[in-house]
Amino acid sequence: EVQLVESGGGLVQTGGSLRLSCAASGFTFRTYSMNWVRQAPGKGLEWVSYIGSRSRTIYYADSVKGRFTISRDNAKNSLYLEMNSLRAEDTAVYYCARDSTYYCSRTSCYSDDWGQGTLVTVSS
Amino acid sequence: EIVMTQSPATLSVSPGERATLSCRASQSISNNLAWYQQKPGRAPTLLIYGASIRATGIPARFSGSGSGTEFTLTISILLSEDFAVYFCQQYNDWPLTFGGGTKVEI
Repeated sequence: EVQLVESGGGLVQTGGSLRLSCAASGFTFRTYSMNWVRQAPGKGLEWVSYIGSRSRTIYYADSVKGRFTISRDNAKNSLYLEMNSLRAEDTAVYYCARDSTYYCSRTSCYSDDWGQGTLVTVSS
Repeated sequence: EIVMTQSPATLSVSPGERATLSCRASQSISNNLAWYQQKPGRAPTLLIYGASIRATGIPARFSGSGSGTEFTLTISILLSEDFAVYFCQQYNDWPLTFGGGTKVEI
């Protein structure tokens, strides 16, 4: 069974930093691309960042570019999101989501499994 | 950026009825569209990919259609567990983008 378990969320002051982790199990982590997707309270879903299986390809949403860094450790079956210069508008539940490998487009794919999420609250 | 627009924002239906949800892309995305269901306090779960292919374990009452810029998710007979929020997502190009969601309520 695929399991994705996020951790590292919490309350942080404006301008502060936080590091999120996602522990993966139940599948061969090193062969899958991964994403971070967030959801502000009562709002919709917003894609944040993508990392390829070997970390060679990385993308960010414009809203986080230059402040967030995605990384992974395939030996530890773990995905990370380093978040710096946090703003109030970064307050959200952050989900890690696994890219499917089936029936994808030429450039990207949908997410076939999601973690339960971790809440990040940025407040002054 | 491809903008995804869902309508209606809220759909009020009764159990046993049919629900039709719409999703429009600001430019053609071929059939590179997924639908997700989200219940309160839970993560999204994949319903449909490739615009019309049901994900593993998804009941046949859920069906997706469309291509290009216009897409539809149909729930043929609503059960109580289907009351949730539904999001569409395009994966034709970066950045990945989601629609604002349709809440299906009783």
